[in-house]
Amino acid sequence: EDQVTQSPEALRLQEGESSSLNCSYTVSGLRGLFWYRQDPGKGPEFLFTLYSAGEEKEKERLKATLTKKESFLHITAPKPEDSATYLCAVLPPSWGKLQFGAGTQVVVTP
Amino acid sequence: DSGVTQTPKHLITATGQRVTLRCSPRSGDLSVYWYQQSLDQGLQFLIHYYNGEERAKGNILERFSAQQFPDLHSELNLSSLELGDSALYFCASSGRDFTGELFFGEGSRLTVL
Repeated sequence: EDQVTQSPEALRLQEGESSSLNCSYTVSGLRGLFWYRQDPGKGPEFLFTLYSAGEEKEKERLKATLTKKESFLHITAPKPEDSATYLCAVLPPSWGKLQFGAGTQVVVTP
Repeated sequence: DSGVTQTPKHLITATGQRVTLRCSPRSGDLSVYWYQQSLDQGLQFLIHYYNGEERAKGNILERFSAQQFPDLHSELNLSSLELGDSALYFCASSGRDFTGELFFGEGSRLTVL
């Protein structure tokens, strides 16, 4: 079965301390990899779509990259408002079933 | 605000009961997806509708059913409820048929006692 694995499970950062989150996948024939942000008690919020290895997308302090086996979400100089759970998801060739990873919970302290 | 509306926001009911969760997609979106999120399972895909037609099914229990109506709103029906059905149920919509760019509602939190 297709697998999406995120690491670490949790990350505690000081404000300004840059770090990276990892999303590895075993889906072959990927039709897209997606990053979402989820705040407690809220629905996930779409951030980025990546389609092919080497592709990069940026939004404020977030930058997502994609290789053939994994994706990274880099958080540069994070602020407390970046605290959230970050989810990655993959869309396999079979369509219809966007498969989410378990997420990385990020806490940024002042 | 994603533009996706879910009701009710919270629901407490007893085992064996039946509930209906409702979702109104973003204006113009033809696709509706239902997901279940629990602490131990993460976000699990249940079902996808596009313009009233079922497009894909995940590990949706036989006790659960859904439909999308002509006005594009969708309902998720959960019956013979068990304690393990307690979870957040999210609806999402998108403007295209098969895509990973989904817009999620705030969710319906179901507690089964």
